[in-house]
Amino acid sequence: QVQLVQSGAEVKKPGSSVKVSCKASGGTFDNSVISWVRQAPGQGLEWMGGIIPMSGQANYAQMFQDRVTITADDSTSAASMELTSLRSEDTAVYYCVRGYCSGGACYDWVFEIWGRGTLVSVSS
Amino acid sequence: EIVLTQSPATLSLSPGERATLSCRASQSVSNYLAWYQKKPGQAPRLLIYDASNRATGIPARFSGSGFGTDFTLTISSLEPEDFAIYYCQQRSHWPTFGGGTKVEIK
Repeated sequence: QVQLVQSGAEVKKPGSSVKVSCKASGGTFDNSVISWVRQAPGQGLEWMGGIIPMSGQANYAQMFQDRVTITADDSTSAASMELTSLRSEDTAVYYCVRGYCSGGACYDWVFEIWGRGTLVSVSS
Repeated sequence: EIVLTQSPATLSLSPGERATLSCRASQSVSNYLAWYQKKPGQAPRLLIYDASNRATGIPARFSGSGFGTDFTLTISSLEPEDFAIYYCQQRSHWPTFGGGTKVEIK
């Protein structure tokens, strides 16, 4: 079973940027979309955007459109998410997640395989 | 953006009882709705996709139903490990999640 291994926790200052990485272990991205979802303390889940590793085409949620960049390298099954102009409200656990694949079909926006999450803390 | 509203916010039940969770969409999402279980310190776990299909390895006590704007997740008989927060999520348009329902031990 493929696992997604994420980079470690980060502490950032307001106004700075953070880049979180994600790599498939024991498998590949398997032609599915890689998304990033975050959860702030005590809050719900928020989809930030996703990328089709084979083509490099990325799509972003409107609220993050101006601040997030998602990239991926299909040959190495690695992906990353960069968030700029950080503010305290960006303090959250950031998850890398792969779409659900079953019976030869992949459902891009069904989130099956999740990384363990990366805590990003933004504080002055 | 499609808004998903989950109810109730909290459900207090005992092990062995039936849990019924609701998710309502601000516009039709066809059957493109999924359910996830979230426990503290853990990543979410996919339970149901496309309204009624159980994901790989999900026990039969979890079932989903609905179409259009109204959806239900049912846990037929609560096991101790089922006490958690449950989120619905649509993929009819760019993905959005509901606010969650906490299933707690009564």
